[in-house]
Amino acid sequence: AQSVAQPEDQVNVAEGNPLTVKCTYSVSGNPYLFWYVQYPNRGLQFLLKYITGDNLVKGSYGFEAEFNKSQTSFHLKKPSALVSDSALYFCAVRDEGFQKLVFGTGTRLLVSP
Amino acid sequence: GAGVSQSPSNKVTEKGKDVELRCDPISGHTALYWYRQSLGQGLEFLIYFQGNSAPDKSGLPSDRFSAERTGGSVSTLTIQRTQQEDSAVYLCASSPLGYAGTDTQYFGPGTRLTVL
Repeated sequence: AQSVAQPEDQVNVAEGNPLTVKCTYSVSGNPYLFWYVQYPNRGLQFLLKYITGDNLVKGSYGFEAEFNKSQTSFHLKKPSALVSDSALYFCAVRDEGFQKLVFGTGTRLLVSP
Repeated sequence: GAGVSQSPSNKVTEKGKDVELRCDPISGHTALYWYRQSLGQGLEFLIYFQGNSAPDKSGLPSDRFSAERTGGSVSTLTIQRTQQEDSAVYLCASSPLGYAGTDTQYFGPGTRLTVL
């Protein structure tokens, strides 16, 4: 069975500092990994995905994520946080052969000025 | 271009009533998904449509829930005899291909359902 864990309910970071939002996954086949962001009263916005190839994936709004197969992790990163990055972030996995996304519980990112 | 749209944005209903939620996917996308976001259960898959194939209904929580997709485009999620535990945000997503695991799902803004 597919599963995703986001161990932190909330991450606090000061504007201008680097940020990391953690995600680990479990799948039986090859993992397809996704990050989405949700702003208040909005749907989910796609940030980036890992399918194959380079372990470092670059996405929207300056975000990137590093795929680590041995640690089964896909942490979201940004070199310099903005106050406007404050939102709810979801990691999701799609197992090979399945269509549905399985989401983590979400991590609230709070960037202080 | 236009994204996924959903209507209504908010729906308040009384326990026991039926509700219909609508989703208009991105034009040309063959796959359509429904998810539910609630405080207690997080984000959970409900149902998936791929072209003219039979839908994957494995995530529907009870037989009070049903969905259809007409003409391979618009989809309606129907909840009969609503219960308070049905209160949640219902999210619709579409993707270009669906059958490829590499496909990206694009989400609509959701419908917030409140059952009194």
